[in-house]
Formats: sequence, C-alpha cells, structure tokens
Amino acid sequence: DGGITQSPKYLFRKEGQNVTLSCEQNLNHDAMYWYRQDPGQGLRLIYYSQIVNDFQKGDIAEGYSVSREKKESFPLTVTSAQKNPTAFYLCASSFPSGRADTQYFGPGTRLTVL
Amino acid sequence: GDSVTQMEGPVTLSEEAFLTINCTYTATGYPSLFWYVQYPGEGLQLLLKATKADDKGSNKGFEATYRKETTSFHLEKGSVQVSDSAVYFCALNQAGTALIFGKGTTLSVSS
Repeated sequence: DGGITQSPKYLFRKEGQNVTLSCEQNLNHDAMYWYRQDPGQGLRLIYYSQIVNDFQKGDIAEGYSVSREKKESFPLTVTSAQKNPTAFYLCASSFPSGRADTQYFGPGTRLTVL
Repeated sequence: GDSVTQMEGPVTLSEEAFLTINCTYTATGYPSLFWYVQYPGEGLQLLLKATKADDKGSNKGFEATYRKETTSFHLEKGSVQVSDSAVYFCALNQAGTALIFGKGTTLSVSS
C-alpha cells in the first residue's frame, strides 16, 4: 500500500539531547513537509522540500534541521536549541502542482521532553 | 499575510443533527481551499477541496462551497454521526508550497 510512514509514534527526550524523527513515503511524491501541531494552535510549517537535496525554512524553523538525500525520505532533527519541543509532529508529501496541490499526511510522532 | 479563521469549538451535537463549521480566509490572490479531518491520535486526512470560486467540494456527506465574495468555505453536513467526532481543519494553498491552516474545530457527536 502506498503511503507515508513516521517513526517512532511516541518519542521521549531529555533536555539537551538531539532527536531525529523519521518520515518515509512511497507515493513517488517530489515535495515533502514537516509541520508542528500544538493544542489549539493548528499546524505550523517547520521545513519543506520540493526536490532532492533542496529544502526551505518554514515559519518556525529555529531549533530544527532537515535533510533530503533521497526522494522518499525527509528526516527532521529536533536540536537542543529548540526551547519548547514537546508537540505532535506531522510529515506530509505531495506532487507539486501549484495552488491545487493536495498534501497527504503521515500518522505523526508525539515528542515529549522530560 | 494569508490566514484562515475557523469558528472556535468545541461543537457538540446530537446524532443526526445538522452541522456547520465556519471558515473564512484572507488571501491576496486566488487560493485553493481544503478541509482536513483529524481523528484522535492520528494524522490529517483530506476531506474535500475546491480550487476556484463557486466550486463545491464534497465527500462522505460533507460539503463546502468556495465563496469568493464572502471569502468563506464553510463545512456542512446534513446528518452527523458519532463516527464524525474529530477535529476539522480548514486550510488554504496560495503559493503552491505549504498549507496555511486554521486552528481547528473540535466536533463531538453524541448518540
């Protein structure tokens, strides 16, 4: 089945540690995205990538880093510089088709800082 | 900048009641509009979309019409079920990159 997988589903981190969230898709989509979801805040864009080896910062990129070495993979690293990383993280992908672009989402990773 | 405003929840309804969740947007151009649904502990699923003025998106009994004159994209369903309980997000895509989301509206349907 085609889709987007994120792992792990739950992740616990101690303060000062970096952690990497995995996102893999087998939809052959060119574009991939990372969003952060906080209660009552909706979703906010962290990073996005429209092609391999290229990515752009979103609205809240500080304290995060990404890579896009393969079309199907777009891992997100939450660094110790991120002051409040506890949140639900969602990965999405799409065929870039302009403003009609439909994004498909993975099941999410819930990160908790202890 | 572009933005989406949704009615605040939670919205609490009895089964078979009529549902409306209001969504209005601010955008400089002609965005596409979307409704996504999120069930507890899961990611978002596309519910419906509309790409130009007067388009009506529909899926699973839900409908929304792109109203350019009122910059609105209200979600409606004639008869809700308990299984419709979820968080609903309105979103727009203006530039062909990332979606801009509203804050979400929680719907709770009781039998």
